[in-house]
Amino acid sequence: ETGVTQTPRHLVMGMTNKKSLKCEQHLGHNAMYWYKQSAKKPLELMFVYNFKEQTENNSVPSRFSPECPNSSHLFLHLHTLQPEDSALYLCASSQPNAGTSGNTGELFFGEGSRLTVL
Amino acid sequence: KQEVTQIPAALSVPEGENLVLNCSFTDSAIYNLQWFRQDPGKGLTSLLLIQSSQREQTSGRLNASLDKSSGRSTLYIAASQPGDSATYLCAVRRLEEETSGSRLTFGEGTQLTVNP
Repeated sequence: ETGVTQTPRHLVMGMTNKKSLKCEQHLGHNAMYWYKQSAKKPLELMFVYNFKEQTENNSVPSRFSPECPNSSHLFLHLHTLQPEDSALYLCASSQPNAGTSGNTGELFFGEGSRLTVL
Repeated sequence: KQEVTQIPAALSVPEGENLVLNCSFTDSAIYNLQWFRQDPGKGLTSLLLIQSSQREQTSGRLNASLDKSSGRSTLYIAASQPGDSATYLCAVRRLEEETSGSRLTFGEGTQLTVNP
């Protein structure tokens, strides 16, 4: 496989459920990201991981819990979500530290996981 | 705070037409700018990336230009085809010295429809 792969592509869950989104990248990158895309709004950065360490949490509610066990895998654990959390969740990867060693920081995205919270 | 605006929000053109999508940003201290394409319900596909020192980048029928001083970028699509129908997003990257990382700010996108 190549690129960035996200599973599941579609997820419907109740507010009391616990579920997880998975992202895997085969690009040899060391930075991974979670973005949220809601209708009629720009993409919102949620979390950034560089070399498995979380370097940014963009004031995301604790009902979203990320996990990065290695540089190739990223998870987003979901618990007691609200209907307004329904959105397309996008994973992306890049080389970290844009601006060093000619690294442009170019982002590569997965296909997204469409989440519906009932 | 960086703000990115894309105009128009939606555009419908007949097949074969040349067209220009616009992106403007408020803070000219950018590192680079990236154009993406997004098909409905899908992820983003990177089209072109322009470094701040560059004026333009080309890939096939696509040409992206950058005028950093005026805070503008354009994406030119030549001889448009129905398969070009998608949402096009631009994103500007700023280097964050305090974190040794970078921050990418996205526009809301232009939804393009090319009619056969």
